[in-house]
Amino acid sequence: RKEVEQDPGPFNVPEGATVAFNCTYSNSASQSFFWYRQDCRKEPKLLMSVYSSGNEDGRFTAQLNRASQYISLLIRDSKLSDSATYLCVVQPGNNRKLIWGLGTSLAVNP
Amino acid sequence: IAGITQAPTSQILAAGRRMTLRCTQDMRHNAMYWYRQDLGLGLRLIHYSNTAGTTGKGEVPDGYSVSRANTDDFPLTLASAVPSQTSVYFCASSLTSLSTDTQYFGPGTRLTVL
Repeated sequence: RKEVEQDPGPFNVPEGATVAFNCTYSNSASQSFFWYRQDCRKEPKLLMSVYSSGNEDGRFTAQLNRASQYISLLIRDSKLSDSATYLCVVQPGNNRKLIWGLGTSLAVNP
Repeated sequence: IAGITQAPTSQILAAGRRMTLRCTQDMRHNAMYWYRQDLGLGLRLIHYSNTAGTTGKGEVPDGYSVSRANTDDFPLTLASAVPSQTSVYFCASSLTSLSTDTQYFGPGTRLTVL
């Protein structure tokens, strides 16, 4: 089993839709969690960190479920500009470096 | 310079040649990283440096070396390139080596080894 797994998609949604991605992680000792966004042929950029209590930033909501070992990203009122690949990133504990998921591809259509 | 820069943007290299990918940041970040990104394998850490003067091995260090002589620069060297090193290489930095710190990425170097 991979340490961090994501549904690769692609998710094709119309503008204005709500879309959710999940990401599972295998190491129960994992301590830090993030969502990064990567546009085609560009570098990854931090979208948001994921906190135990859940957190929201505008149209984006991130949740952490430690019992089931997954994190989620909810995007409301999708915009064309949200089209990108969303990378789930986990710090697996024991001072190990970050582990990156393969990403979920989102295409928002007019 | 604003942020983190990489050079060259792209390169085609003959197998067996030596190549150094350059990375410079002006944010006075202590930690720096080199990743490679391959289709189906995602981002994998090659080497990292928690602070100037120190380096460490990541997940896929073989065939690569790094140095960190100062805070700003973190070059990655391929001593004798092989076709399996064809990839997109990203340099990143963070304020500290703590896992909670945001990593900022350079624009990447697309390397093709023939």
